Amino acid sequence: DSGVTQTPKHLITATGQRVTLRCSPRSGDLSVYWYQQSLDQGLQFLIQYYNGEERAKGNILERFSAQQFPDLHSELNLSSLELGDSALYFCASSIGRAFDSPLHFGNGTRLTVT
Amino acid sequence: TQLLEQSPQFLSIQEGENLTVYCNSSSVFSSLQWYRQEPGEGPVLLVTVVTGGEVKKLKRLTFQFGDARKDSSLHITAAQTGDTGLYLCAGGRYNQGGQLIFGQGTELSVKP
Repeated sequence: DSGVTQTPKHLITATGQRVTLRCSPRSGDLSVYWYQQSLDQGLQFLIQYYNGEERAKGNILERFSAQQFPDLHSELNLSSLELGDSALYFCASSIGRAFDSPLHFGNGTRLTVT
Repeated sequence: TQLLEQSPQFLSIQEGENLTVYCNSSSVFSSLQWYRQEPGEGPVLLVTVVTGGEVKKLKRLTFQFGDARKDSSLHITAAQTGDTGLYLCAGGRYNQGGQLIFGQGTELSVKP
């Protein structure tokens, strides 16, 4: 058990809809990361927050947004969903804010857009 | 390009055999990490290598970081069925915060 909790585990929704994925980091970790994993693209970095502030941004679509709250949990909002957004979305956390701080991944949210 | 390319993509071997997985890039990374992922779970960190030429051993697993810090390899000796999984390499750079660039992964199947 990594200590990172993601909810929900599975999500099925229709195109055009909006969903929110939630992540609780490991106790003591200040950084939260969101990654998208699909068969054709592999594991792609979306965004990182450190202690409530955005720290690094990857190729995150404008339809996607995230935030980290004062209690350090994070939410990833996906809107105007398209079929191609179907993927596994992972949250990870780490103590530090740099790349060399070991990541602890949750078990992911599987999003299916129909 | 910042891409990390892993080879092979798929590997199916018998228990007891040795294998090597490669992770290559045309760009320099500040460090390389190796993860293992099992179905239905998130990746789990195996090792981090930071110095060019560095070799780290974890029981039957040996990790190497290339001298130029552009490539890495993972060697497993006497593979066991419990080694089955998706192996991912990931690179990080000092000027990119906590972002990691992941390779596409190597799907390893070890048969009894």
